[in-house]
Amino acid sequence: DTAVSQTPKYLVTQMGNDKSIKCEQNLGHDTMYWYKQDSKKFLKIMFSYNNKELIINETVPNRFSPKSPDKAHLNLHINSLELGDSAVYFCASSPPTGGPGNTIYFGEGSWLTVV
Amino acid sequence: DAKTTQPTSMDCAEGRAANLPCNHSTISGNEYVYWYRQIHSQGPQYIIHGLKNNETNEMASLIITEDRKSSTLILPHATLRDTAVYYCIVKGGGNTGKLIFGQGTTLQVKP
Repeated sequence: DTAVSQTPKYLVTQMGNDKSIKCEQNLGHDTMYWYKQDSKKFLKIMFSYNNKELIINETVPNRFSPKSPDKAHLNLHINSLELGDSAVYFCASSPPTGGPGNTIYFGEGSWLTVV
Repeated sequence: DAKTTQPTSMDCAEGRAANLPCNHSTISGNEYVYWYRQIHSQGPQYIIHGLKNNETNEMASLIITEDRKSSTLILPHATLRDTAVYYCIVKGGGNTGKLIFGQGTTLQVKP
């Protein structure tokens, strides 16, 4: 069983479109994250949700809107896609925050290409 | 969270031990040292973490110096599949739990 799964794995879309990436975790974790890896390969956190509540928003443009229908799911919706949004987006999850010994588990990534 | 310093790249012969160093001289008392790796085109994979004591699991060993200012990840018998970017991350408690990734060490295991 895949612990953290994302769909789609690959997405090619035109500028200006709106798209969503879905994420589900079956680990029973309370906290979920979205990370972005750009063309220079730097991994940076975008959002974090704990029990469906937003706890991190790392100055991400408001075209990006995460939605957590329940604590096992965290979807990422992107409006008005721009060329600079092309990147790999990783979903992740962990046990409740506040514990430095809590390990974060990542999905396999969603490759977004905006043309 | 404390910053870490790692060499940009390293080579290792297949079957030999790979020793990946990390400096974290500004680490504070409640911060853990984490190691992740990212194999090409895959998501980051958790390897091991520790606070003060040395740790070992089925993947690797983590050696943390007594002053906690540096650590070494040891892959005891490196294989070609261990070729990846290895990230040393210091993570504290009481925050949001996020990981701050640096540029990591690219380990190339050669036959």
